Amino acid sequence: AQSVSQHNHHVILSEAASLELGCNYSYGGTVNLFWYVQYPGQHLQLLLKYFSGDPLVKGIKGFEAEFIKSKFSFNLRKPSVQWSDTAEYFCAVTTGGGNKLTFGTGTQLKVEL
Amino acid sequence: SQTIHQWPATLVQPVGSPLSLECTVEGTSNPNLYWYRQAAGRGLQLLFYSVGIGQISSEVPQNLSASRPQDRQFILSSKKLLLSDSGFYLCAWSVGQGGANVLTFGAGSRLTVL
Repeated sequence: AQSVSQHNHHVILSEAASLELGCNYSYGGTVNLFWYVQYPGQHLQLLLKYFSGDPLVKGIKGFEAEFIKSKFSFNLRKPSVQWSDTAEYFCAVTTGGGNKLTFGTGTQLKVEL
Repeated sequence: SQTIHQWPATLVQPVGSPLSLECTVEGTSNPNLYWYRQAAGRGLQLLFYSVGIGQISSEVPQNLSASRPQDRQFILSSKKLLLSDSGFYLCAWSVGQGGANVLTFGAGSRLTVL
């Protein structure tokens, strides 16, 4: 069965620091990869997605993620975080063309002024 | 435009009582529908998903059940709640097949079992 691992459970950064959140999945075939974000008091929403093509995908608010197939990874990055990026971030995957979206345990990011 | 409604938003129930959480989607046809449970430090656990009326896939053995009586209605139920059923329940929808479809989530229902 597919699974997703997010190794950073809590991350605290100062504004303007660079961010990288790790995400690894376990599945040997075709995958679709997602990052979702939940800002305080808001719905879970899509940040970015990878379906095919260029492994470096760009999302909203300056976020990007790189799909590295050989490492089964889809890490999320942002060169310079802002206080408004404080949120919980979830990596997720669908596999083999199925509709079941499996999430990681989430990373709580706190950005301090 | 498409919208998703979940109710009730919060619910406090005694152990052993029944449960019914409802989710409806507007503005789309034949959506894929999902129930997730979100717990602190455990992420989102997929409970059930449905690709059509009467078609329910259960992901984990548990005290809960799901039904899809209409195309855009998805109901999460229990006959007798346990303390461990407390949590934040999210409904979501998507359209299309093949896995490359984005989920849109509702606002969630917070259940406390006492």
